[in-house]
Amino acid sequence: DQQVKQNSPSLSVQEGRISILNCDYTNSMFDYFLWYKKYPAEGPTFLISISSIKDKNEDGRFTVFLNKSAKHLSLHIVPSQPGDSAVYFCAASARDSSGDKLTFGTGTRLAVRP
Amino acid sequence: DTGVSQDPRHKITKRGQNVTFRCDPISEHNRLYWYRQTLGQGPEFLTYFQNEAQLEKSRLLSDRFSAERPKGSFSTLEIQRTEQGDSAMYLCASSLASWSTQDEAFFGQGTRLTVV
Repeated sequence: DQQVKQNSPSLSVQEGRISILNCDYTNSMFDYFLWYKKYPAEGPTFLISISSIKDKNEDGRFTVFLNKSAKHLSLHIVPSQPGDSAVYFCAASARDSSGDKLTFGTGTRLAVRP
Repeated sequence: DTGVSQDPRHKITKRGQNVTFRCDPISEHNRLYWYRQTLGQGPEFLTYFQNEAQLEKSRLLSDRFSAERPKGSFSTLEIQRTEQGDSAMYLCASSLASWSTQDEAFFGQGTRLTVV
């Protein structure tokens, strides 16, 4: 039962353009959402998060949008840079009921072309 | 470097052998997590500790797996009688949690286990 889904395994974007990575979830108990970035042979690195009481959170070039009614979130990167090329994981937790144990999606590999 | 540290980075073992991995969390973090990641998948939760107490174990954690966090500092994950299906990246993460704060988890670089 995949509770967090990233339906696009890969995405290719031109440098300078916007990258949009999508994530859907099924568990209504999730109340905190995160994006992690992973380079080969390294552990995931925290990028940005959003609480379920918000619909948008912005940090520099990265913005996360949350649509609770659709159980959908997205990560926008603008402008995209070649150094952003990595695998991006969406993760969710139900902090009120199960601490901050994370449930991850399967990841989207982003390639930013120079 | 004050990040999460895992040792070893790579481990190759024969089927049936026991292996033990170590994780040193960020020093002030009270929560410590173990995840497992296989090819093409996201990390999957195995277990977590609040200080020295193991609070939750996933059904993925069979009785061949045991994790400890003595004194609430470093943690070890032991796999007994390894099987080829245990081959994966084992990730450790830590976070600072309280009733009033929510802090993101910081991950180590992982231990890649190959069972031959």
